[in-house]
Amino acid sequence: AQKITQTQPGMFVQEKEAVTLDCTYDTSDPSYGLFWYKQPSSGEMIFLIYQGSYDQQNATEGRYSLNFQKARKSANLVISASQLGDSAMYFCAMRDGRGNTGNQFYFGTGTSLTVIP
Amino acid sequence: NAGVTQTPKFQVLKTGQSMTLQCAQDMNHEYMSWYRQDPGMGLRLIHYSVGAGITDQGEVPNGYNVSRSTTEDFPLRLLSAAPSQTSVYFCASSYRVAKAYEQYFGPGTRLTVT
Repeated sequence: AQKITQTQPGMFVQEKEAVTLDCTYDTSDPSYGLFWYKQPSSGEMIFLIYQGSYDQQNATEGRYSLNFQKARKSANLVISASQLGDSAMYFCAMRDGRGNTGNQFYFGTGTSLTVIP
Repeated sequence: NAGVTQTPKFQVLKTGQSMTLQCAQDMNHEYMSWYRQDPGMGLRLIHYSVGAGITDQGEVPNGYNVSRSTTEDFPLRLLSAAPSQTSVYFCASSYRVAKAYEQYFGPGTRLTVT
């Protein structure tokens, strides 16, 4: 079964508007972390935001916020006031406690975001 | 700091050949990992290490070996290359295992196996 599901292969948003990128996850581990990365066309991976499974409040980092709904197992990324430089692939990922040293990471297939001027 | 460096940037191998992808970081990071990125499949964890001398398998470890003899280096060995290993390979590191999600990624190695 897919650990991380991103159902939006591509999204478009008008500059200065907000956009939500969807992510659902699957784990039976009570301790896990969810995070988002950005991959511009240049190919590097850039860490954006992190949410721990025990965190009571939704994580925010500047224009990025993570809408964490534990019961629904969703961790959507909200980008406010979109900028042209936000055009990129966005990956949702999860760390759970499996493996001998408890650091298994799983990435979704990504959402390509295009910001329209 | 150079950050996370990977060599080579590009590589073409013939089926059955072996090679080592190099990864180094100069930030004294505990956690290092290797991923492969295939079109339409996102990143998949191959192997990771939580410190010198400690490695563990990720989601897709078959056909790859790793070792971590120093904090700085985490090479990935392809034992006998197969066309299915054609991919872009990323190395990543993080300051502490507890904050392993804040990974710094290298620029990637594009590998083609013919």
